[in-house]
Amino acid sequence: KAGVTQTPRYLIKTRGQQVTLSCSPISGHRSVSWYQQTPGQGLQFLFEYFSETQRNKGNFPGRFSGRQFSNSRSEMNVSTLELGDSALYLCASSLLAGSINEQFFGPGTRLTVL
Amino acid sequence: AQSVTQLGSHVSVSEGALVLLRCNYSSSVPPYLFWYVQYPNQGLQLLLKYTSAATLVKGINGFEAEFKKSETSFHLTKPSAHMSDAAEYFCAVSTNKAAGNKLTFGGGTRVLVKP
Repeated sequence: KAGVTQTPRYLIKTRGQQVTLSCSPISGHRSVSWYQQTPGQGLQFLFEYFSETQRNKGNFPGRFSGRQFSNSRSEMNVSTLELGDSALYLCASSLLAGSINEQFFGPGTRLTVL
Repeated sequence: AQSVTQLGSHVSVSEGALVLLRCNYSSSVPPYLFWYVQYPNQGLQLLLKYTSAATLVKGINGFEAEFKKSETSFHLTKPSAHMSDAAEYFCAVSTNKAAGNKLTFGGGTRVLVKP
């Protein structure tokens, strides 16, 4: 069974640009969550989607947005990039929503903002 | 609000020695607790989870953790370290189903295994 895939794996952008990251969950999984990982702030929850609806949102500015498609694939978008947005963005999928469901993480997309 | 504190950002152990990684949580409701491991340039892999069943939880790769409500702790142990255990370990907490799959992570502990 294929794991969670994230594309692209590496991305370099400049300040002010926007970026879209993609996540394909494990087949059959309907919940997708996104996390940002930085050396300074650690792992922080961005948002969770289930059945194309955002269920939860972390404490990030409105420049960070996401969506989920009917096939459960998810994208996150960051507009007007800032240097501080440089991070590893991790996507995780689980079968259902709910905190006792195991989340399976993808390898991440490393975003560098210059 | 929930929070997680991992004592020690770096831990160095000798191969064959006990691995002990400390995790304390803060939660106003019964928590669900998780330990994840991250190898370089990879995502997170679940080691084990506590979901209010047995307080001693066994996971993969010989790791186990004990939930102690009185101490609000969920420390991770492995009796004998292996070189392949060198990685970063994260403790995480979630509270209830209404919170969905939102995990709150500790700062992580990087484990170095010396031969």
